[in-house]
Amino acid sequence: DAGITQSPRHKVTETGTPVTLRCHQTENHRYMYWYRQDPGHGLRLIHYSYGVKDTDKGEVSDGYSVSRSKTEDFLLTLESATSSQTSVYFCAISESSSLGETQYFGPGTRLLVL
Amino acid sequence: QQQVKQSPQSLIVQKGGISIINCAYENTAFDYFPWYQQFPGKGPALLIAIRPDVSEKKEGRFTISFNKSAKQFSLHIMDSQPGDSATYFCAASFHNQGGKLIFGQGTELSVKP
Repeated sequence: DAGITQSPRHKVTETGTPVTLRCHQTENHRYMYWYRQDPGHGLRLIHYSYGVKDTDKGEVSDGYSVSRSKTEDFLLTLESATSSQTSVYFCAISESSSLGETQYFGPGTRLLVL
Repeated sequence: QQQVKQSPQSLIVQKGGISIINCAYENTAFDYFPWYQQFPGKGPALLIAIRPDVSEKKEGRFTISFNKSAKQFSLHIMDSQPGDSATYFCAASFHNQGGKLIFGQGTELSVKP
């Protein structure tokens, strides 16, 4: 599992409330990513980070913000949750290999917005 | 131009048969093509990956076939087993963009005993 943990693993919240998901890694990887997984869409990149305080948007970043104040932690915040943000959220890190940057995923957080 | 299209959406194969999942991409600048396997309630796990300078890569019962001119690649699972039942995702990325992955839509594979 490349030393990736996500918390919480499950969360139910109400529309309009803020939600923060945490991704923690233990192996000092530079790159970290947040994806969401929805049926029929595969996984889509929300935001990614290429170092402490260095982040950039992915293809579905609207309604989400991120922060990375330490190498090991990458936080995803939904400022005001909406029902369309009900999804499974995966954090990933990348590791250099002979083929390129290989990504390894955490166990996921299942979020339900009522 | 950054899409990766995957087919079929679902696949049922008998034990011992060959499972074939196809992906097509548009952007010829992609230079890394991994396949991920995901079991229910788990995160995707890297299964096998290929660079565009080779046409085939085999690891055990899993083979990637890559057709650069057609901009297509496929996963073949030989001697499919019930334990292979999972969702499979193809993906593509640019090496110089921090490895950001563009995923296909996924294929749910069921191998019947």
